[in-house]
Amino acid sequence: GNSVTQMEGPVTLSEEAFLTINCTYTATGYPSLFWYVQYPGEGLQLLLKATKADDKGSNKGFEATYRKETTSFHLEKGSVQVSDSAVYFCALSEKAAGNKLTFGGGTRVLVKP
Amino acid sequence: DGGITQSPKYLFRKEGQNVTLSCEQNLNHDAMYWYRQDPGQGLRLIYYSQIVNDFQKGDIAEGYSVSREKKESFPLTVTSAQKNPTAFYLCASSISGGLREQYFGPGTRLTVT
Repeated sequence: GNSVTQMEGPVTLSEEAFLTINCTYTATGYPSLFWYVQYPGEGLQLLLKATKADDKGSNKGFEATYRKETTSFHLEKGSVQVSDSAVYFCALSEKAAGNKLTFGGGTRVLVKP
Repeated sequence: DGGITQSPKYLFRKEGQNVTLSCEQNLNHDAMYWYRQDPGQGLRLIYYSQIVNDFQKGDIAEGYSVSREKKESFPLTVTSAQKNPTAFYLCASSISGGLREQYFGPGTRLTVT
């Protein structure tokens, strides 16, 4: 079956530091890939997505590139802010699975001033 | 404002009681989903519905039931058969067809004692 593995947190950074969250996946077909963000006590918000190999998703300074050869979709941001403190989830969606999302376990990021 | 609403935000029940969580969307989405989130973990799919009057079990459907009588609404009932019902429940919706992103509601935190 499908699965998503992402690095465990928490990841603690200082403001303006570079952030990378690793995400790798296993899928039988050609999935779409997503990053969602969850702020404390809230639901998930879509951060970015990529639908095919070599696509780059970007939003709010975050980027991730769909790498089929390494089955990865690592999230990066060049200069984090305190407001980026949240839990980040990598997920995949595959048509053969009825467009269901399979999530990684989430990575908590804490940015200190 | 288009979006997904879940009510209530916090819900408390005694063990042995059934409880129904509300999910309403005005995005005109055909597909709706229910996920469960436990502390420090990713999301797991409970049930999903791709069209009115039809729904399928997800990965952890035991002890839960749903209905989809209207396009806008997808209520989840947590029955007394669910062994560990205390969790954060998230509802989502998406456009059907293709690999579409899902939009999430703010969640309901259920505590059963």
